[in-house]
Amino acid sequence: DQQVKQNSPSLSVQEGRISILNCDYTNSMFDYFLWYKKYPAEGPTFLISISSIKDKNEDGRFTVFLNKSAKHLSLHIVPSQPGDSAVYFCAASLNTDKLIFGTGTRLQVFP
Amino acid sequence: EAGVAQSPRYKIIEKRQSVAFWCNPISGHATLYWYQQILGQGPKLLIQFQNNGVVDDSQLPKDRFSAERLKGVDSTLKIQPAKLEDSAVYLCASSFYPDGYTFGSGTRLTVV
Repeated sequence: DQQVKQNSPSLSVQEGRISILNCDYTNSMFDYFLWYKKYPAEGPTFLISISSIKDKNEDGRFTVFLNKSAKHLSLHIVPSQPGDSAVYFCAASLNTDKLIFGTGTRLQVFP
Repeated sequence: EAGVAQSPRYKIIEKRQSVAFWCNPISGHATLYWYQQILGQGPKLLIQFQNNGVVDDSQLPKDRFSAERLKGVDSTLKIQPAKLEDSAVYLCASSFYPDGYTFGSGTRLTVV
């Protein structure tokens, strides 16, 4: 039972353009959503989060959008940079408890 | 602030052998998690500690996996005996509400 899904295993974007990573979830009780970035041989690092009471949160080049009715969230990176190339995990939690992760999307930003 | 420390970074063992991983969380973080990340999948929670008590171990294969967090600080995760399908990266994370998780670099286990 995959409660958090990332249906695109990979994404390739040109430097300077927008990267959009998508995530769907099934449990409407989730109240907190996060995006993590993972480089090879390193643990995931926190990128940005959003509470279920909001529909948008922005931090520099990163914006997360939440559509509760569709149970969908997305991460926008603009402009994309080569250093953004990594695996991005969407995660959800209930009452700030344990995180449930998606399967990840590998983003490659090329010059 | 020091991060979450994990050791070893890499381990190769034969099936049916035993192995142990160690994690030292960020000082003051009461909650500690062990996740298993199999290649191509997202991290999956194995066990969650609050101080030295287990909060959730529903996904831990208890016939072969065990974990402890004595004194509510560092933690060990053990696998005995290991199977080929245990090959994965084992991630430790700690948190202190309302801050988010901080992950360690993980231990990459290869069972041959």
